[in-house]
Amino acid sequence: GENVEQHPSTLSVQEGDSAVIKCTYSDSASNYFPWYKQELGKGPQLIIDIRSNVGEKKDQRIAVTLNKTAKHFSLHITETQPEDSAVYFCAASLRSGGSYIPTFGRGTSLIVHP
Amino acid sequence: DSGVTQTPKHLITATGQRVTLRCSPRSGDLSVYWYQQSLDQGLQFLIQYYNGEERAKGNILERFSAQQFPDLHSELNLSSLELGDSALYFCASSVGGTGSTYEQYFGPGTRLTVT
Repeated sequence: GENVEQHPSTLSVQEGDSAVIKCTYSDSASNYFPWYKQELGKGPQLIIDIRSNVGEKKDQRIAVTLNKTAKHFSLHITETQPEDSAVYFCAASLRSGGSYIPTFGRGTSLIVHP
Repeated sequence: DSGVTQTPKHLITATGQRVTLRCSPRSGDLSVYWYQQSLDQGLQFLIQYYNGEERAKGNILERFSAQQFPDLHSELNLSSLELGDSALYFCASSVGGTGSTYEQYFGPGTRLTVT
């Protein structure tokens, strides 16, 4: 099955700095890569995703890059704000029937200091 | 607010007991997914239903079962509970259909504590 490694497990930055979270996956058949933000006491929230036919996608301060050859993908957050503090999960998804079933990384706790 | 609802929010029960967790998907979504989140195992996919039928199965124990009803709400049944079943259980939903289905939207979760 798929295996996803996520680094770092904890990331502490100053407000306004950039943050980068990296993930690697093992199964080259994975072709959908969502990122989720989970705040304390809440469910994961989809913040950005990328499909395997795209190398980069940006949405305001958030961007994701994908290197299919190396089987790694990254989340970039620019101009970080205290409200960005949360746990971020990457996932690599394999197609099963008509759906994409994700395998999640172990999460990165992002702390943004004001 | 994702539009996915889950009840109850918290559940405390004893070993050996059986519980039922309930999920209502977003309006219009046909697929429901169940996940378990624990410190040991992280966030793990359990099972998926699409329009009432089981579509994909993950790391779901034989003591656990699920179903999706005609009104599209879903229930996850956990029986012969063990201490290690204590975790957060999330439901997610997506549009589903004959085409590819990517985005999943998660509910707020049910925190299960087995004592």
